[in-house]
Amino acid sequence: DTGVSQDPRHKITKRGQNVTFRCDPISEHNRLYWYRQTLGQGPEFLTYFQNEAQLEKSRLLSDRFSAERPKGSFSTLEIQRTEQGDSAMYLCASSHLRDWNTEAFFGQGTRLTVV
Amino acid sequence: DAKTTQPPSMDCAEGRAANLPCNHSTISGNEYVYWYRQIHSQGPQYIIHGLKNNETNEMASLIITEDRKSSTLILPHATLRDTAVYYCIVRVARTGTYKYIFGTGTRLKVLA
Repeated sequence: DTGVSQDPRHKITKRGQNVTFRCDPISEHNRLYWYRQTLGQGPEFLTYFQNEAQLEKSRLLSDRFSAERPKGSFSTLEIQRTEQGDSAMYLCASSHLRDWNTEAFFGQGTRLTVV
Repeated sequence: DAKTTQPPSMDCAEGRAANLPCNHSTISGNEYVYWYRQIHSQGPQYIIHGLKNNETNEMASLIITEDRKSSTLILPHATLRDTAVYYCIVRVARTGTYKYIFGTGTRLKVLA
């Protein structure tokens, strides 16, 4: 198992364009999380999936953001009509539903730059 | 959701113990305290977690006060490779949600 994988690692886009990021969690991990991290700040929670169900969305997740996990395995995060304020590191993490007392494993993140 | 408060930065001499404090005075009874660290531009890396008892693993020790309102992460013999941002986190788990709430972190610099 190679851990949580995110693709792409870096993305530069023009303002107004749509972007999509992919996260492949550790296999058999039922829980999947997306976070956003801006420079000098701690990661901020965006959304949580349990299997394919999106159970919580943060207020930070505006209407331009949508996340999916169609078969309970990989997940995508799409940002429509990107703005310069969307520039950040987007982190994905996963953990197992079976163990209450467990940690989440984070990927290396996708760094988005909106120009 | 519970919030954590940490000093923004600390220095520690190589080979000495690094003691990183965290305040989480609004933590609820079933919420765990987690510690992660992040080295420049990488994803956060798990260190240790606990509920109310002190915990120790190969990386660190976690001391949680009896009232659970604060905790301390101890790196017993800090090395230069321990230079990183350390996050104290409250894990929220209730019906409909499960998430890790990060604070702003402490930037630890280990000095040679």
